Amino acid sequence: DAKTTQPNSMESNEEEPVHLPCNHSTISGTDYIHWYRQLPSQGPEYVIHGLTSNVNNRMASLAIAEDRKSSTLILHRATLRDAAVYYCILRAPGYNFNKFYFGSGTKLNVKP
Amino acid sequence: DAGVIQSPRHEVTEMGQEVTLRCKPISGHDYLFWYRQTMMRGLELLIYFNNNVPIDDSGMPEDRFSAKMPNASFSTLKIQPSEPRDSAVYFCASSLVDGGYDPYNEQFFGPGTRLTVL
Repeated sequence: DAKTTQPNSMESNEEEPVHLPCNHSTISGTDYIHWYRQLPSQGPEYVIHGLTSNVNNRMASLAIAEDRKSSTLILHRATLRDAAVYYCILRAPGYNFNKFYFGSGTKLNVKP
Repeated sequence: DAGVIQSPRHEVTEMGQEVTLRCKPISGHDYLFWYRQTMMRGLELLIYFNNNVPIDDSGMPEDRFSAKMPNASFSTLKIQPSEPRDSAVYFCASSLVDGGYDPYNEQFFGPGTRLTVL
């Protein structure tokens, strides 16, 4: 399975943008890039996903490199409630489509 | 919708005892997943079901673990006998898949069951 590499932790100030990087150098052409986050004492929740083009939703933006070997999750204005572990996940079509590999993720600390 | 419901939220038991964790998926969802989360190993997929049928149980650690889904609205994960190394947070998740490959079919997670085996 294609794997992802993320920094163990990052820190941000409240109300400032946060860029969370993810490297996936072995990504295949049909792999989707998904991001989930896990707030303290909760189960993971979906944030955003994309294939090739940059994506925006109410929670965040996803910027995907042209060669797709990396991507960046962008929180435009971090709040204290965004403090969580963020997971970058690759999803390949076929039999293993539903088998998520969460990895260690990036723990985001937001300072007031 | 109430979301994915798990019970109990906390379970403390002694080594050797049987433990049963329960999950009610979101109504209408046709996939159900069991995960385990520990500090050492992170979040791991144990088993998942499609339309009540186990599809992949390659993540189940050993024969002491078993999972069932007798109907579309209920699943159990059983550990017998339990051991201290089974202590973890166990999550259940469900998703709805149209046509078998929907890149948007997010998984919805329950709040988890924190299991402590003494």
